[in-house]
Amino acid sequence: ETGVTQTPRHLVMGMTNKKSLKCEQHLGHNAMYWYKQSAKKPLELMFVYNFKEQTENNSVPSRFSPECPNSSHLFLHLHTLQPEDSALYLCASSQENSGSTGELFFGEGSRLTVL
Amino acid sequence: GEDVEQSLFLSVREGDSSVINCTYTDSSSTYLYWYKQEPGAGLQLLTYIFSNMDMKQDQRLTVLLNKKDKHLSLRIADTQTGDSAIYFCAGQGNTGKLIFGQGTTLQVKP
Repeated sequence: ETGVTQTPRHLVMGMTNKKSLKCEQHLGHNAMYWYKQSAKKPLELMFVYNFKEQTENNSVPSRFSPECPNSSHLFLHLHTLQPEDSALYLCASSQENSGSTGELFFGEGSRLTVL
Repeated sequence: GEDVEQSLFLSVREGDSSVINCTYTDSSSTYLYWYKQEPGAGLQLLTYIFSNMDMKQDQRLTVLLNKKDKHLSLRIADTQTGDSAIYFCAGQGNTGKLIFGQGTTLQVKP
């Protein structure tokens, strides 16, 4: 496999469920990201991990819990979500070092519906 | 923080040129980017421009950067139905992380 892979592609969950989104990158990158994409809104950066350390948490509610066990894998644990959390969740990776262009490589996203 | 604005919708006829515009607020971006998102897919980098350049051409794509006005545009020549997608402009915020606009939906009519 190449690139950035996200599973599941589609997820429907109730407000009391606990589920997780998974992302895996095969590009040898050292940074991984979670973005939220809602209709007619800019992409919202949720979390950033550099070398497995969380470097950014953009005021994301605690019902979203990220985990980065190694530089290739990123999870987003979901608990007690609200219907307004329904969105496309995009994972991305990049190589962060001096001289890099900062390009992000995206997965195809996990479409989440909260009932 | 960085704010990136785009118009939401553009409709063109096949064979015409498309011009998608973007304005940004943070002039410290080293690079500015254009991404394309096809239905049901993630974002894919189309092209980027270094901030000390005014123009970059890559086959049918031309990027123009006006740093004074903080304006970025993407021109697609000879637009095809396969170009129908959402196009995102992005700049680097003050932390170096990419900040995206809302996206412009390009509709190409046969």
